[in-house]
Amino acid sequence: GENVEQHPSTLSVQEGDSAVIKCTYSDSASNYFPWYKQELGKGPQLIIDIRSNVGEKKDQRIAVTLNKTAKHFSLHITETQPEDSAVYFCAARGYSGAGSYQLTFGKGTKLSVIP
Amino acid sequence: DAGVIQSPRHEVTEMGQEVTLRCKPISGHNSLFWYRQTMMRGLELLIYFNNNVPIDDSGMPEDRFSAKMPNASFSTLKIQPSEPRDSAVYFCASSQGYSEKLFFGSGTQLSVL
Repeated sequence: GENVEQHPSTLSVQEGDSAVIKCTYSDSASNYFPWYKQELGKGPQLIIDIRSNVGEKKDQRIAVTLNKTAKHFSLHITETQPEDSAVYFCAARGYSGAGSYQLTFGKGTKLSVIP
Repeated sequence: DAGVIQSPRHEVTEMGQEVTLRCKPISGHNSLFWYRQTMMRGLELLIYFNNNVPIDDSGMPEDRFSAKMPNASFSTLKIQPSEPRDSAVYFCASSQGYSEKLFFGSGTQLSVL
């Protein structure tokens, strides 16, 4: 099945600086790569996603890049704000080995934005 | 829309007891997922339903775990008997189509003493 590695596990940045979180995946057939934000006491919430036929996608201060050849993708947050503090998860959709395509999640990155 | 609704939010029980977690997916979504979240293993898919039918239960840890979806608006995850190592946050998520754009509930924090 798919294996997703995520780095770093924790990240602290000053307010206004940029934050970058990186993920690698193992299944070259994976074709969908979402990013989720989880705030304390809440469930993960989708913030941006990218498909394998696209190299980059932006949504205001958030961008995701995908390198299919190297099998890695990254989340970029610019002009960070205190409300960006949360745990961020990357995921890749690949064959589960049990007859369906499923999301495999990275272990998460705890982002702290220091005012 | 109220989103995915899970109950209870917190459950504390003793080892050996039966635990039932409940989920109401977003109306119109035809796929439902149960995930377990722990510090050690992160988010793990336990089981996936499509149109109320279990499609992939390869993540269910053992026979103590069972899940049902009797209709499009309700699902349960049951653990019997519960063990301390089952302590985790259990999330339900739903989506339209196949495994894309998941919408998660707020989770059930389960503590088995």
